[in-house]
Amino acid sequence: DQQVKQNSPSLSVQEGRISILNCDYTNSMFDYFLWYKKYPAEGPTFLISISSIKDKNEDGRFTVFLNKSAKHLSLHIVPSQPGDSAVYFCAASPNYGGSQGNLIFGKGTKLSVKP
Amino acid sequence: ETGVTQSPTHLIKTRGQQVTLRCSSQSGHNTVSWYQQALGQGPQFIFQYYREEENGRGNFPPRFSGLQFPNYSSELNVNALELDDSALYLCASSPDINTEAFFGQGTRLTVV
Repeated sequence: DQQVKQNSPSLSVQEGRISILNCDYTNSMFDYFLWYKKYPAEGPTFLISISSIKDKNEDGRFTVFLNKSAKHLSLHIVPSQPGDSAVYFCAASPNYGGSQGNLIFGKGTKLSVKP
Repeated sequence: ETGVTQSPTHLIKTRGQQVTLRCSSQSGHNTVSWYQQALGQGPQFIFQYYREEENGRGNFPPRFSGLQFPNYSSELNVNALELDDSALYLCASSPDINTEAFFGQGTRLTVV
């Protein structure tokens, strides 16, 4: 049974507009959440994270929102750029303190940003 | 460029054989984790090594084993290969347990 779910396999967005990628989780013990970006033939690259004590974290064009009561998080990319086209993975850590070594990943959402 | 390199990049093995995949971490990274990513799936945690000792394991059978060496390299060994072991194998290293993990580019294993 999947503990981290990304229900949209793909998303297409126009350059300059907002991209919103969604993620749901089932385990209320998860304390730390991360987003990774993956280009073909490369390993995942860490993008942004959020601790369960926060509801928002921003880093430049990337913002992650966490709704603990709904067990839902989302990644907003504003403005979207063609270079953002990649597969985005949502991941959760069951370890308090943010260990990134034992992560539970969703299946990923393929984002395409069209010029 | 994450400074984490995996070898080989591609590998084809026959069912029942054994395979060793290698990962070279950044100097000073004392934590390494291995993941299996099947086609269309997210990476799935296999196990983690911290200072050369296993420090957590996912839902994988004992025929998946690992080693971490003092020179910041590590190995993933899989015995008695099955067709379902075909996947991308990723290693991720970090300076310590609770710090950002850097992924290698992966080894694509095909079992025929």
